[in-house]
Amino acid sequence: SAVISQKPSRDICQRGTSLTIQCQVDSQVTMMFWYRQQPGQSLTLIATANQGSEATYESGFVIDKFPISRPNLTFSTLTVSNMSPEDSSIYLCSVAPWQGGSTDTQYFGPGTRLTVL
Amino acid sequence: GESVGLHLPTLSVQEGDNSIINCAYSNSASDYFIWYKQESGKGPQFIIDIRSNMDKRQGQRVTVLLNKTVKHLSLQIAATQPGDSAVYFCAENGEGAQKLVFGQGTRLTINP
Repeated sequence: SAVISQKPSRDICQRGTSLTIQCQVDSQVTMMFWYRQQPGQSLTLIATANQGSEATYESGFVIDKFPISRPNLTFSTLTVSNMSPEDSSIYLCSVAPWQGGSTDTQYFGPGTRLTVL
Repeated sequence: GESVGLHLPTLSVQEGDNSIINCAYSNSASDYFIWYKQESGKGPQFIIDIRSNMDKRQGQRVTVLLNKTVKHLSLQIAATQPGDSAVYFCAENGEGAQKLVFGQGTRLTINP
């Protein structure tokens, strides 16, 4: 499986500010995803990061709040904009090789633990 | 809408015993299922997966069972060890072939 790193690993931010989270993979992957995991809860998909085009957002998530970039097949960023305490969560990126056809296994990074004061 | 849920939020077993974690799914169109283990402070770690053309798959000390008739998925862990203590999530691919929908999670505690 791919080795996935995220930066920062954790941060404490003031409300109204923005934070950009980076996800780096050690090999080229077709699919990259961003998830949110609120305290004590399960994972919710925010968006699929598409290389060279706009991300595909899930219901309840919008580009203005969570802009995503994916300039190549090994790197993506997620920005949490105009933060409020409700944005305090773990943000996770995942990757899947996807050679076409059926679903492929997703592998997760270590997560970024965000606290908004 | 689609949903994946778990029967028990917590499970405690004695070290060395076998454990079974259950998961119910609602989307009959799902054809791929996966189990993850998440330890405190870490990202989810892949354990085992299964496609809908199978009803059982075995790994090292783990077995996943799929019952499509009742839309039920289970993870069996044999001879549990302290390192098995974690939260376990099931997920299904739901309506999008490359998207995963996660269940609520079960916290497994191994007692010495």
